[in-house]
This record gives sequence, structure tokens and C-alpha cells, in this order.
Amino acid sequence: DSGVTQTPKHLITATGQRVTLRCSPRSGDLSVYWYQQSLDQGLQFLIQYYNGEERAKGNILERFSAQQFPDLHSELNLSSLELGDSALYFCASSVDHTDYGYTFGSGTRLTVV
Amino acid sequence: AQTVTQSQPEMSVQEAETVTLSCTYDTSENNYYLFWYKQPPSRQMILVIRQEAYKQQNATENRFSVNFQKAAKSFSLKISDSQLGDTAMYFCAFIPYNNNDMRFGAGTRLTVKP
Repeated sequence: DSGVTQTPKHLITATGQRVTLRCSPRSGDLSVYWYQQSLDQGLQFLIQYYNGEERAKGNILERFSAQQFPDLHSELNLSSLELGDSALYFCASSVDHTDYGYTFGSGTRLTVV
Repeated sequence: AQTVTQSQPEMSVQEAETVTLSCTYDTSENNYYLFWYKQPPSRQMILVIRQEAYKQQNATENRFSVNFQKAAKSFSLKISDSQLGDTAMYFCAFIPYNNNDMRFGAGTRLTVKP
């Protein structure tokens, strides 16, 4: 157990739907990062939050959004889902935005049918 | 653009032998971090080893060591005394200082054979 908790582990949903992925960072970590791992694009950085504030954006689609709550857990919202959104979504955390030793969760496998 | 290239999609090694996984990267930055992550079938991403670019000494973690060649922009991972539990996908990753976009290579699938 890495200390980063992601739920659910698996999610199957239909095209056009909206889902929410949840991440609880390791205790004491203030930064949360979301990554997408797909067969064709590999691992891609989506977005980072630090202590409740958005800090950096990567290749995140406009249909996707995220937030970090006061208790530091984070949620990634994916809407108007397409078949191509099927992927493994990882959350990672670190102490702060200068600590690059990310700890990853075990991911949420999203399947869009 | 900052890119990470792993030229070996798949590799195999006999148990107890040594294997080296290759990684090259392209950047104009001078200060950055390099990492090797392991992703076993459980799909968990596990940090294996990290290297700070300003450090000339190669990082070592037990059976895992790196050969960091900054001028050549090369960062290979050597696994000594390979164990069956080392079977996994291995990803090389790069991130510049003061940046939060960690770039990953496409991965190398390593199989340790008994």
C-alpha cells in the first residue's frame, strides 16, 4: 500500500456519461497530480493541485476537470465520455510542489463502452 | 520539447543475471530529475530510483543502479541479481526543476525467467 488511495478501482460506463474519480493523497502530502495512461498515448500528465489550488495543467481536455478539497483529497471529473477516454487514471502525491518523488496510487481503470 | 525515449519495448533476463534498460531524453534544461518507475501486473507505479542532474555520482538502490551520462542525455537502469519479482514494465521519467509535467518514456517490458 503506497498510502495514496484511489477509488473506484474499476469503472465501466457508456459514452456521453460523466464520472468522478477520487484520490486521497498520502498523509502529509499537499500536492496531488493526475495522470492518464493509455495504450496509444502512454503516461500523460493531466493536472496538479497544491494545497487546494490548481498549480499546473498538462494535456487535460476541456471535458475534464479536477479539484482538491480542504481535506486534500482530489476528484477528477470526466464528462461527455468518449471511447477514447478509456484508460488507466493515476493519482500521485508529493509533500509539496518541489518534491518530485511522487507516490502513485494503484489507479482507476475506466472503460467507456 | 522534452521527450523521453526507451528504445527497448521488451527485454528478458534469466534469474540472477544482470540486465540494463536504456533511456535517453531530450531537453535544453540544465537542472532536472530523472526517475525509473516500475509497474508490475498489479499496475501500481513504484519508484525504483531517482537521480538529480547536478549530482555526478550515479544513484544506487540495492540491486538497482543507474548510469547517468548528462552530456549524452542518457540514463540507463542496471538490475543486478534479477529476481522473478522484477518482472514488470519499467518507465523512465524526466522532470525539470520548477516544473510539474513529468514526462515518461513508452516503457520497457522486462521478463525475468526462472
